[in-house]
Amino acid sequence: GAVVSQHPSWVICKSGTSVKIECRSLDFQATTMFWYRQFPKQSLMLMATSNEGSKATYEQGVEKDKFLINHASLTLSTLTVTSAHPEDSSFYICSARDLFGAASNYGYTFGSGTRLTVV
Amino acid sequence: LAKTTQPISMDSYEGQEVNITCSHNNIATNDYITWYQQFPSQGPRFIIQGYKTKVTNEVASLFIPADRKSSTLSLPRVSLSDTAVYYCLVGRNQGGKLIFGQGTELSVKP
Repeated sequence: GAVVSQHPSWVICKSGTSVKIECRSLDFQATTMFWYRQFPKQSLMLMATSNEGSKATYEQGVEKDKFLINHASLTLSTLTVTSAHPEDSSFYICSARDLFGAASNYGYTFGSGTRLTVV
Repeated sequence: LAKTTQPISMDSYEGQEVNITCSHNNIATNDYITWYQQFPSQGPRFIIQGYKTKVTNEVASLFIPADRKSSTLSLPRVSLSDTAVYYCLVGRNQGGKLIFGQGTELSVKP
């Protein structure tokens, strides 16, 4: 089945630094990828939608200059948290949509998530 | 996007059948109903999807009444490893964004 690899699985960084999270579709092409953030005991909150070769679309309230998204190829999207602060500590999850919908889960596959801790 | 309502939490015991109901009164004609499972510190995992009546796969069944304003995820003979959060999502199968509701935290006890 479709597999989405997310890296790293966890990262600790100092306040003020930037962190890049990668999301790769391993066996299918993803025209669209989604980035979510999840705080403890809460649901997933959609941050942005990234389309290959074009600018990402951010949800209301999400700072596009702080959360930089790049979707340069059909198999890779990256989320960079710039000038991270402790309040950015969260669980970040990506999701990729299968270009041809051939995945058994009707087109959406999620990565395993990245636990970001800013100290 | 249709809004969904689920119980916040449910408790069960090993070996029991668990039914989690989701309300989606504003479901549109082209919307499908999809359920995901999420374990702590992991991404959601697809469980089942349906449009109407009943769908069954190797892990669950999904019951959808004729008016499609609700759906019930049925997990047969749960085990401790089924302890997770279950999300009901409603939307079109056309690549649109998935919006998650609060989910149901299922706790299976020995």
